[in-house]
Amino acid sequence: AQSVTQPDIHITVSEGASLELRCNYSYGATPYLFWYVQSPGQGLQLLLKYFSGDTLVQGIKGFEAEFKRSQSSFNLRKPSVHWSDAAEYFCAVGSGGGSYIPTFGRGTSLIVHP
Amino acid sequence: GAVVSQHPSWVICKSGTSVKIECRSLDFQATTMFWYRQFPKQSLMLMATSNEGSKATYEQGVEKDKFLINHASLTLSTLTVTSAHPEDSSFYICSARVTSGRKYNEQFFGPGTRLTVL
Repeated sequence: AQSVTQPDIHITVSEGASLELRCNYSYGATPYLFWYVQSPGQGLQLLLKYFSGDTLVQGIKGFEAEFKRSQSSFNLRKPSVHWSDAAEYFCAVGSGGGSYIPTFGRGTSLIVHP
Repeated sequence: GAVVSQHPSWVICKSGTSVKIECRSLDFQATTMFWYRQFPKQSLMLMATSNEGSKATYEQGVEKDKFLINHASLTLSTLTVTSAHPEDSSFYICSARVTSGRKYNEQFFGPGTRLTVL
């Protein structure tokens, strides 16, 4: 069965600092990987996804993530965090077969200090 | 494009009553919708897959008689929590899958419904 581990429950950074959110997955085959952001009162929004090809994936809002098969990781990065980035971030792994139904990690809460 | 709404955004009910939550795809048709449950500071757990015109597929451990799902049209799925109890209090989130176009197979999520059972 597929699973996702987000080891950090919450991360605190200063505005303008760089950010890396960790994600490790467990899946027997080549995974489909996702990062979502959840802000209060809003639905989960897809930041980026990896299906195949280039292991460095660019997403919306200046985020990127790198798929490292050897480490079973898909960490999310942003070079300079803005106060509006404060939210809950979820990593997810999807199964194949064309369904891409994601299994979510527990989430990492990002706190941004001014 | 690809907006999903949920109604209500929050609801408080008495133990023993039933509560219906609606999930609508506003600008696209969705033959498949999903219902998730999220506990505080925890992950989203898939409860069931809702298929238009057919019975929902429930995940292991989810009581189908407790959580009734109806997907009567291509833009609407409903989740009814029957005979609600305090342990059913949670955040319920739906998503709808795009089945055509540029965003094929991508899921779009609703803002969620906070259910509190007294």
